[in-house]
Amino acid sequence: AQSVAQPEDQVNVAEGNPLTVKCTYSVSGNPYLFWYVQYPNRGLQFLLKYITGDNLVKGSYGFEAEFNKSQTSFHLKKPSALVSDSALYFCAVSPTTDKLIFGTGTRLQVFP
Amino acid sequence: DGGITQSPKYLFRKEGQNVTLSCEQNLNHDAMYWYRQDPGQGLRLIYYSQIVNDFQKGDIAEGYSVSREKKESFPLTVTSAQKNPTAFYLCASSIVGSNQPQHFGDGTRLSIL
Repeated sequence: AQSVAQPEDQVNVAEGNPLTVKCTYSVSGNPYLFWYVQYPNRGLQFLLKYITGDNLVKGSYGFEAEFNKSQTSFHLKKPSALVSDSALYFCAVSPTTDKLIFGTGTRLQVFP
Repeated sequence: DGGITQSPKYLFRKEGQNVTLSCEQNLNHDAMYWYRQDPGQGLRLIYYSQIVNDFQKGDIAEGYSVSREKKESFPLTVTSAQKNPTAFYLCASSIVGSNQPQHFGDGTRLSIL
């Protein structure tokens, strides 16, 4: 079965430190990969996507993600976390259809 | 500004009642989607549509119905057959094509009275 795993329910990091939110996937073929962010009582906002090419993808608000085909991972990173980055983050995978498969989400908490 | 509008923001349903959630977009997108979000379960696809007058069931379609009579609109009806309707419902739209990001509305929170 096709699936996306976000192994950490919550990630805690101090402001100014680097952050990583992990995502692994199990999908046949060469899927497209996405990260979204959700603030309380709001919809999801698109951060970045990997289609093909460079394994390091840069996105909105200083976020980037590293694609690793051999490990089937697509971890979200940011060099210096802000308190305002505190939110719920979703990894999603699109197989060769128009449907997205979402992970269960990781809550990022950035402490001042 | 272009975007997706969901209404109402909060909705309450009585036992045995059908309720309809509205979703309108002015992004000129062909594809539209309905998701259900429950704590700790991520987003699950209810229905999606890639063209007017056509739609497909997602992973959890039982107890829900949709229509797509206009490109801009994709209403979702939660029927009385849905025994556990309390959730946060999200509508999204996109350009057709699996490498296109989906754009989301701000959701409707449905609760049972």
